[in-house]
Amino acid sequence: SQQGEEDPQALSIQEGENATMNCSYKTSINNLQWYRQNSGRGLVHLILIRSNEREKHSGRLRVTLDTSKKSSSLLITASRAADTASYFCATTLNNDMRFGAGTRLTVKP
Amino acid sequence: DAEITQSPRHKITETGRQVTLACHQTWNHNNMFWYRQDLGHGLRLIHYSYGVQDTNKGEVSDGYSVSRSNTEDLPLTLESAASSQTSVYFCASSEFRGEGTEAFFGQGTRLTVV
Repeated sequence: SQQGEEDPQALSIQEGENATMNCSYKTSINNLQWYRQNSGRGLVHLILIRSNEREKHSGRLRVTLDTSKKSSSLLITASRAADTASYFCATTLNNDMRFGAGTRLTVKP
Repeated sequence: DAEITQSPRHKITETGRQVTLACHQTWNHNNMFWYRQDLGHGLRLIHYSYGVQDTNKGEVSDGYSVSRSNTEDLPLTLESAASSQTSVYFCASSEFRGEGTEAFFGQGTRLTVV
């Protein structure tokens, strides 16, 4: 399966701190994406990194991809209480998209 | 604005009944997906479609079926609902590109089978 696996399962930090979440996967990919899910809502796309890219930034988000280790990390800098949500990585191969179990992030004010 | 909508948002049904969950998108996307979300499992792919008349099985397709008669809709049918199919179901759509693109998700359907 190309399903990603996030680590840690849960993360609790103080507002202003940085949050790092990791994703590992098993097979070749075209790209890897990160999504956020607020409680009871649908998933919202955050960032996409292609298999030939190593790092990508979007606002307070920084994503890295190491295809040799089949792993990715999502860094959220200067976290805010509004960042409290579940974060999922999704691997895509030939338009087939598979998700991991997610990391539950809690940012305390 | 383009969107993707699921209906109903909540459904309670009895074991053994056939249930259909609707998914409609106005993005004109070729790709459409159905996932189920259960605690501890994240999102698991049920079925997906790359275009009209195209359907494919995902990792947890047993007991589910889909059909794609037009670009906008991908209804998910539970042939004979089972308690194990109690879950939150999400539909998603994306453009068809070789390397894949971002997906847009509906708000989900919470299905309870009693």
